[in-house]
Amino acid sequence: EPEVTQTPSHQVTQMGQEVILRCVPISNHLYFYWYRQILGQKVEFLVSFYNNEISEKSEIFDDQFSVERPDGSNFTLKIRSTKLEDSAMYFCASSEAPSGSSYNEQFFGPGTRLTVL
Amino acid sequence: QQQVKQSPQSLIVQKGGISIINCAYENTAFDYFPWYQQFPGKGPALLIAIRPDVSEKKEGRFTISFNKSAKQFSLHIMDSQPGDSATYFCAAPLLPNNAGNMLTFGGGTRLMVKP
Repeated sequence: EPEVTQTPSHQVTQMGQEVILRCVPISNHLYFYWYRQILGQKVEFLVSFYNNEISEKSEIFDDQFSVERPDGSNFTLKIRSTKLEDSAMYFCASSEAPSGSSYNEQFFGPGTRLTVL
Repeated sequence: QQQVKQSPQSLIVQKGGISIINCAYENTAFDYFPWYQQFPGKGPALLIAIRPDVSEKKEGRFTISFNKSAKQFSLHIMDSQPGDSATYFCAAPLLPNNAGNMLTFGGGTRLMVKP
């Protein structure tokens, strides 16, 4: 069964450093997402990406964040200058392109735990 | 945008019992309400979903009950098993007409089923 994969599973970094989180979405999916989950809290939407551009982004997704699809398979989230409060589990998800107003299931990866010291 | 509020935060049920988790939403323009199950160290996985044109949807031991007038929907797990122990999230589309296919999640319910 196809699945979303994410690397690394755990990333430890110093405050102010740049990190890149990597995701390989399901191959025939066209919509890609990043969510984050601070320990013990709910899953929060960060950004969606379609047709090589950002489709929607939340207030959390400020100028420190960027996303990219550098090749035909990877989807990355970059945090330019990490802060302590960026420590969280980051989930990548993908889905087929929505058809009209119908919702398509999102498939989540196992997450990358980011720890900022 | 949509907000969903979930309760309880945690739930302990004996094996064989019924687990009930509730969720309230704000905007009646939204038409897709999924429940996600998350095991420790894993990403959320879709468990069951409902559209508001029906009041109930059942898949095996899992049932969603939907009350449009009260703007609430709930997850019922019948004959709860220790393997059901996980965190459950209700969710809803973030924007009207499912624009962008994005989700907003409830706060989560940590379910523990005791053997």
